[in-house]
Amino acid sequence: DAKTTQPTSMDCAEGRAANLPCNHSTISGNEYVYWYRQIHSQGPQYIIHGLKNNETNEMASLIITEDRKSSTLILPHATLRDTAVYYCIGYGSSNTGKLIFGQGTTLQVKP
Amino acid sequence: DTAVSQTPKYLVTQMGNDKSIKCEQNLGHDTMYWYKQDSKKFLKIMFSYNNKELIINETVPNRFSPKSPDKAHLNLHINSLELGDSAVYFCASSTGTSGYTGELFFGEGSRLTVL
Repeated sequence: DAKTTQPTSMDCAEGRAANLPCNHSTISGNEYVYWYRQIHSQGPQYIIHGLKNNETNEMASLIITEDRKSSTLILPHATLRDTAVYYCIGYGSSNTGKLIFGQGTTLQVKP
Repeated sequence: DTAVSQTPKYLVTQMGNDKSIKCEQNLGHDTMYWYKQDSKKFLKIMFSYNNKELIINETVPNRFSPKSPDKAHLNLHINSLELGDSAVYFCASSTGTSGYTGELFFGEGSRLTVL
């Protein structure tokens, strides 16, 4: 299982882009990078995942470096409702659904 | 129309009691999970079932017994509750038909407090 490292906390101004970094230097070739978030008192919510290429969906964009040792989750226009703990997880299908959550990054979006 | 629903949302009980938490998903998924989030906010997997078959058992005390009557339901029964069992328990589901995806759908959690 890939070990991931994220900053403990970050602030972002409302309406600005939030860029959340993640280091995963031990990720193996068949492991994806998954991002989840947990808004206070709610269950974790899947955001996006990728293997090598950059990915974008309605929630966020994921930029993965060419060497796959790090990635950045981008929330293009952060709102107050994006305040949450964001988790970066390395995951391969052999994990049979076992997600290993670290401490994550607490993102505080401020007005 | 809740995708993964858990009951009860809150549960307060005395040490030594036995309690159950129920989970149902209406997403048509074939894999379901129980995760535990302790007071330090770490989320850890406890169990997973695929089509009613136990796939993952993460060295959880045998006081915890999951039961999956069908692939849409996964219940968690806890015997002889201890103070350390106080936590938020999350049920989740995913599709496993073409490999075990990492895209899990979580419920809202059941907060268990043992006094």
